[in-house]
Amino acid sequence: EAGVAQSPRYKIIEKRQSVAFWCNPISGHATLYWYQQILGQGPKLLIQFQNNGVVDDSQLPKDRFSAERLKGVDSTLKIQPAKLEDSAVYLCASSSRPTYSGNTIYFGEGSWLTVV
Amino acid sequence: SQQGEEDPQALSIQEGENATMNCSYKTSINNLQWYRQNSGRGLVHLILIRSNEREKHSGRLRVTLDTSKKSSSLLITASRAADTASYFCATDGITFGKGTHLIIQP
Repeated sequence: EAGVAQSPRYKIIEKRQSVAFWCNPISGHATLYWYQQILGQGPKLLIQFQNNGVVDDSQLPKDRFSAERLKGVDSTLKIQPAKLEDSAVYLCASSSRPTYSGNTIYFGEGSWLTVV
Repeated sequence: SQQGEEDPQALSIQEGENATMNCSYKTSINNLQWYRQNSGRGLVHLILIRSNEREKHSGRLRVTLDTSKKSSSLLITASRAADTASYFCATDGITFGKGTHLIIQP
């Protein structure tokens, strides 16, 4: 079974530029998550999708971050304009159903963003 | 804000010893999950314990949950060098703590 695919793995951009990350979840997984992990900290949930609908985006900085999952499969996370503090690893994850029901989340390897 | 808080932040032990790390959280939960993250990699799910369970085992892992104290512990027995990683608890699999960085010295 293929895992969660993310691209690009690494990206360096200047502040005020834009960047987009792509994620393809495990086939058949209805729930998709984007996390931000700053070095030395735990992942912070940015947004959770159930199929193509948003379940939770309370911690997404909506003035600069956006995410979509148009067909309920793959997803993109965009940052525009980027700030220095956005330097982090962006982790995509998926589960067959929401995790409060006891389902396991499967993580991708992450997209490393450095803003200079 | 992060719900779970792991303790200690860092732990260094000799290979073969047992490693114990703790997690405290603030609100009621349906389940608590533990994850491992090797340096530069994604997170790997280790074990899930539901709110109506008190103890669970998986291989060399033992997890306990005390909902009255809002705390959980992860015990790794007979540690190996390959266990060197960061360990995170996550309430309902979503809200993560800052993690415990475990180093196993050969």
